[in-house]
Amino acid sequence: DIQMTQSPSFLSASVGDRVTITCQANQDINKYLNWYQQKPGKAPKLLIYDASNLETGVPSRFSGSGSGTDFTFAISSLQPEDIATYYCLQYDHLPNTFGQGTKLEIK
Amino acid sequence: EVQLVESGGGLVQPGGSLRLSCAASGITVSSNYMSWVRQAPGKGLEWVSLIYSGGSTYYSDSVKGRFTISRDNSNNTLYLQMNSLRAEDTAVYYCARVYPRFDPWGQGTLVTVSS
Repeated sequence: DIQMTQSPSFLSASVGDRVTITCQANQDINKYLNWYQQKPGKAPKLLIYDASNLETGVPSRFSGSGSGTDFTFAISSLQPEDIATYYCLQYDHLPNTFGQGTKLEIK
Repeated sequence: EVQLVESGGGLVQPGGSLRLSCAASGITVSSNYMSWVRQAPGKGLEWVSLIYSGGSTYYSDSVKGRFTISRDNSNNTLYLQMNSLRAEDTAVYYCARVYPRFDPWGQGTLVTVSS
């Protein structure tokens, strides 16, 4: 199985800060890496698909990069509404696997 | 607009069974790869099962032999039959379309396995 190592697990930042989250796969997953935002009691919301593509309607402060085994998710200027848990997902290989999640809070 | 709506969750005793449904609109379930994903209370996301458009099915090791994914083409609905349920199966279960973007997801249905 492909292991997705997501870091950090917890992130505290101020409004306006740039924040980054990384996911590393232990095998090549090409570009099949998504980033999701999840708020309490809600389904995950797709933000970035295929590593670097911004989903329609998602603010441009969110971005993704990477390919192969190393991927990065960034928020260029943190907003209060970005408080959530973020997950990466690889869907190149079965079983599909998620990162452990990053809980983001406002400092 | 593609919409997925799960139903069928509830409280079940250990060893019991439950069938979850995922009603789709805006897409044809049988023409798509569809998955179930679950999330235990306070925990992360866990992939559970996949059905390809051709009908092949795949399961995580934690549910293999106990869960069965299927679909009803006439009702455009995806199912997850869950047997021999355990306390560790307690979770919110989501259905999702896998391609092209592993999206959208349904709103989820809660399964609680407890005596």
